[in-house]
Amino acid sequence: DTEVTQTPKHLVMGMTNKKSLKCEQHMGHRAMYWYKQKAKKPPELMFVYSYEKLSINESVPSRFSPECPNSSLLNLHLHALQPEDSALYLCASSHVSSGNYEQYFGPGTRLTVT
Amino acid sequence: GEDVEQSLFLSVREGDSSVINCTYTDSSSTYLYWYKQEPGAGLQLLTYIFSNMDMKQDQRLTVLLNKKDKHLSLRIADTQTGDSAIYFCAESISTNAGKSTFGDGTTLTVKP
Repeated sequence: DTEVTQTPKHLVMGMTNKKSLKCEQHMGHRAMYWYKQKAKKPPELMFVYSYEKLSINESVPSRFSPECPNSSLLNLHLHALQPEDSALYLCASSHVSSGNYEQYFGPGTRLTVT
Repeated sequence: GEDVEQSLFLSVREGDSSVINCTYTDSSSTYLYWYKQEPGAGLQLLTYIFSNMDMKQDQRLTVLLNKKDKHLSLRIADTQTGDSAIYFCAESISTNAGKSTFGDGTTLTVKP
């Protein structure tokens, strides 16, 4: 099973809402990632979890709150977002390695903030 | 710091070979990757090459690495309309704990 799943596929939320994005993998990967991708741009790294601990936070605003409840699951909690946060949010996973971080990506959640 | 550059667009005829180029700046890069992204989808890992290799072939895909010039290329043989997508080059460095640097992506258009 080389699949990373993400739910929901699409999400529309107001600026006062609280919502969560979910990601799941069963490949035994111990590194999981959140990326934000704007149209026609490369993915921008937001967070990296390694062995369920946050290892990289790319100075992401606190309105985005990641959580890794276990080695298969990754959540991104959203609160008080801005319209400019509208984007495709991608989850990825990989083995924890000394150099090879070949990542498997989910299909993404298309987020629209109104 | 790390920087990865790609040309933005490439257009080829169906059946021709496509060559997508990438340059990187960090000489300590250990792994270099090619990802494909179709419209509305996530990124799909196509192939990767370790920095001590010069070439890697996988079916229709050939990756060439010129370490001296810090140049990476992806050749797609017998390009099909289903190969139309954005192709991202990326590098990872062993000291960066999972952080990969992506190029801006090359949009490949395959014309029938």
